[in-house]
Amino acid sequence: AQTVTQSQPEMSVQEAETVTLSCTYDTSENNYYLFWYKQPPSRQMILVIRQEAYKQQNATENRFSVNFQKAAKSFSLKISDSQLGDTAMYFCAFMKQGAQKLVFGQGTRLTINP
Amino acid sequence: DTAVSQTPKYLVTQMGNDKSIKCEQNLGHDTMYWYKQDSKKFLKIMFSYNNKELIINETVPNRFSPKSPDKAHLNLHINSLELGDSAVYFCASSGSDRTREQFFGPGTRLTVL
Repeated sequence: AQTVTQSQPEMSVQEAETVTLSCTYDTSENNYYLFWYKQPPSRQMILVIRQEAYKQQNATENRFSVNFQKAAKSFSLKISDSQLGDTAMYFCAFMKQGAQKLVFGQGTRLTINP
Repeated sequence: DTAVSQTPKYLVTQMGNDKSIKCEQNLGHDTMYWYKQDSKKFLKIMFSYNNKELIINETVPNRFSPKSPDKAHLNLHINSLELGDSAVYFCASSGSDRTREQFFGPGTRLTVL
């Protein structure tokens, strides 16, 4: 079974700083997808960024980028120029190709301080 | 123009009661899901339906029964509620694209007293 581990329960940075959230996963699959979801205090789950395992190029969405290391089974999220609105729980998630479910990590609570 | 909606958003009830949570999506997706988020914020899949057919049942107690009357709806009925059922329940849906990106509803916070 796949597992996803987020080793940082909480992080806190100043506004405008860059922060990196860690995620590792365990799988024997070769084809899969990785996701970062954001859950602000409103509790809505919002997709931040997605990476397909067969793509070597790291995904980027505006201030959000990932460092995908397939051999190391690592998928970290970098937030540049952090903003107060980035304050949220961030979840790393794994889905093997053809599957119908997301496997989530434990989450990292990120606080952006003014 | 809400994509995935759930009702109610909050549900407070007594132990032993039976309750239902409704979910609807207007995205034209063929797959719908129920996830449970516990008090420690951990999210775990409960059920998945594809075209009204049950695909995934992740060792959820029989007291939980999902029902999909059509592709756009997936309801969750819970019998004999227990204290441990208190959680936030999320409905989600995905289409048939390769990545099967999942879109989540706003969640239903269930509190069992």
